[in-house]
Amino acid sequence: GIQVEQSPPDLILQEGANSTLRCNFSDSVNNLQWFHQNPWGQLINLFYIPSGTKQNGRLSATTVATERYSLLYISSSQTTDSGVYFCAVLQGATDSWGKLQFGAGTQVVVTP
Amino acid sequence: EPEVTQTPSHQVTQMGQEVILRCVPISNHLYFYWYRQILGQKVEFLVSFYNNEISEKSEIFDDQFSVERPDGSNFTLKIRSTKLEDSAMYFCASGSVAQHFGDGTRLSIL
Repeated sequence: GIQVEQSPPDLILQEGANSTLRCNFSDSVNNLQWFHQNPWGQLINLFYIPSGTKQNGRLSATTVATERYSLLYISSSQTTDSGVYFCAVLQGATDSWGKLQFGAGTQVVVTP
Repeated sequence: EPEVTQTPSHQVTQMGQEVILRCVPISNHLYFYWYRQILGQKVEFLVSFYNNEISEKSEIFDDQFSVERPDGSNFTLKIRSTKLEDSAMYFCASGSVAQHFGDGTRLSIL
């Protein structure tokens, strides 16, 4: 099956700092989503981004499908950004639905 | 914004008992999923459901597990003869393209 690798595994940021999280995948994908898992365990949808660039407030994401990677940018980080960020992909060339394969996540800690 | 809702939020059960985890997907979605996350690990796919039948299942989803859409709105995951290693967070998701996740049920097997 498809391999999904996220880096770095851990990230400690001072409040106000910017950061970039990376997701590499081993095959073509029809769906790529970024999630934030907060300290209560909830999985929050951040982006559905199989290709291109999207922005939502201080967060933005870019997926370069031809080169098999996606980046999540966090700008002006806040303590509420702490948690685990997961990249998840749907492998395949035709269907737009099906099982998501998750990466291992990046644990982000934002300190005051 | 419509949400996927899961109940209960936390379930504590004795080993060997049966549990039913419940989900109400977003109403106009056609595809439904269950995932689980063992503490400290990544999220793993269990099963997908479309048109009132299982469309794909993982190796984890053996005869101990079953899913049902009993009334056109609820989507349930039943785990029979629970084991200690079934302790995990179970997420329901629904979607047509992007998948939307519920808040999860934390299952603790004693």
